[in-house]
Amino acid sequence: DGGITQSPKYLFRKEGQNVTLSCEQNLNHDAMYWYRQDPGQGLRLIYYSQIVNDFQKGDIAEGYSVSREKKESFPLTVTSAQKNPTAFYLCASTPGVGRNQETQYFGPGTRLLVL
Amino acid sequence: QQQVKQSPQSLIVQKGGISIINCAYENTAFDYFPWYQQFPGKGPALLIAIRPDVSEKKEGRFTISFNKSAKQFSLHIMDSQPGDSATYFCAASTTSGTYKYIFGTGTRLKVLA
Repeated sequence: DGGITQSPKYLFRKEGQNVTLSCEQNLNHDAMYWYRQDPGQGLRLIYYSQIVNDFQKGDIAEGYSVSREKKESFPLTVTSAQKNPTAFYLCASTPGVGRNQETQYFGPGTRLLVL
Repeated sequence: QQQVKQSPQSLIVQKGGISIINCAYENTAFDYFPWYQQFPGKGPALLIAIRPDVSEKKEGRFTISFNKSAKQFSLHIMDSQPGDSATYFCAASTTSGTYKYIFGTGTRLKVLA
């Protein structure tokens, strides 16, 4: 089965704690993205990566960090500097080449809650 | 100039009716316009997409109408069914470079049985 997996499905963060959300894809896609979804605000881009070992900030990168050490993996760390982390986090990827090169395919999401 | 404005915020339609969701954009560099469907607690899934070289694209009960001069595009769901009840997002992107999407704020559709 090809697709994007995100784990965990639910994540609880204590004050001052860093937490890492996992995103893995076996679609051989070049580009990967992280979005934050809040009610009534659509999807906002946090970070994106077009190739391994390279990534760029999106519109709301403050308080977040990422790495792209492998093509199939793009983990997101929510740091203690992110004061309002409660949201639904979505990972996506695009092929970058071919007929549907620009189509973004989404994972099932991780819901982050603050204790 | 990077915004995509989506309306209405919510929509209630009777079973068998037509659901219409509208989006407007400013950036004329956008050349790819997808629509996504999202069920509660799930990731969005691509429903249908259009490029500005055509004014309409139809896939089953779903149709995108595109008006390049007005910088507007809309999703029409014909013969709406209760199973279509979901949140719908429009988006806009350029097809060169990073494929970054600008998303609309979403429309929550409820189809009454």
